[in-house]
Amino acid sequence: GQQVMQIPQYQHVQEGEDFTTYCNSSTTLSNIQWYKQRPGGHPVFLIQLVKSGEVKKQKRLTFQFGEAKKNSSLHITATQTTDVGTYFCARSTGTASKLTFGTGTRLQVTL
Amino acid sequence: DGGITQSPKYLFRKEGQNVTLSCEQNLNHDAMYWYRQDPGQGLRLIYYSQIVNDFQKGDIAEGYSVSREKKESFPLTVTSAQKNPTAFYLCASSPDNSPLHFGNGTRLTVT
Repeated sequence: GQQVMQIPQYQHVQEGEDFTTYCNSSTTLSNIQWYKQRPGGHPVFLIQLVKSGEVKKQKRLTFQFGEAKKNSSLHITATQTTDVGTYFCARSTGTASKLTFGTGTRLQVTL
Repeated sequence: DGGITQSPKYLFRKEGQNVTLSCEQNLNHDAMYWYRQDPGQGLRLIYYSQIVNDFQKGDIAEGYSVSREKKESFPLTVTSAQKNPTAFYLCASSPDNSPLHFGNGTRLTVT
């Protein structure tokens, strides 16, 4: 299936620094979902973006969908140790319920 | 509490043996999915089912089989034909066209 590339693969920040992960597709996306997986845990749904140029916020997390609907980003302001985990974007392919996940960005936060 | 139950959490098998991973949900979701996750990598779709008695192959179905005889249950069999079965297996469910709810996963080790 169509791959969804995420960058960076890994980022290590000091607590309080900002963090951004990017999700890029070569084709137009109907929507994009974001999930967080804590170490040793399972992915948990964060948000879904549908509209071109859409921006949604959840406390310190800001999600953006590109104008061309080919890329998306997740920005965390002032990271905390509780933000540690791997962040995945996921796109619908063909059948709307079938998701293809990105490669993920692992975030490490230290004091 | 409603949720998805995967059992067991850890599973060990000898090479050449088939093994079945359990996934049960009481969320009344129509769609169910099996994903595989290898260390440091994203999730890859094995099989999915949108309705009882129907299922489709995902991106990496070779060496796996599933059944969907009941809405609540979607067991995955890892057969001896699967060349690299050691992985973290995640089951998920969703109402139609909605984000996924994941179980806690089963970590399978084949030696």
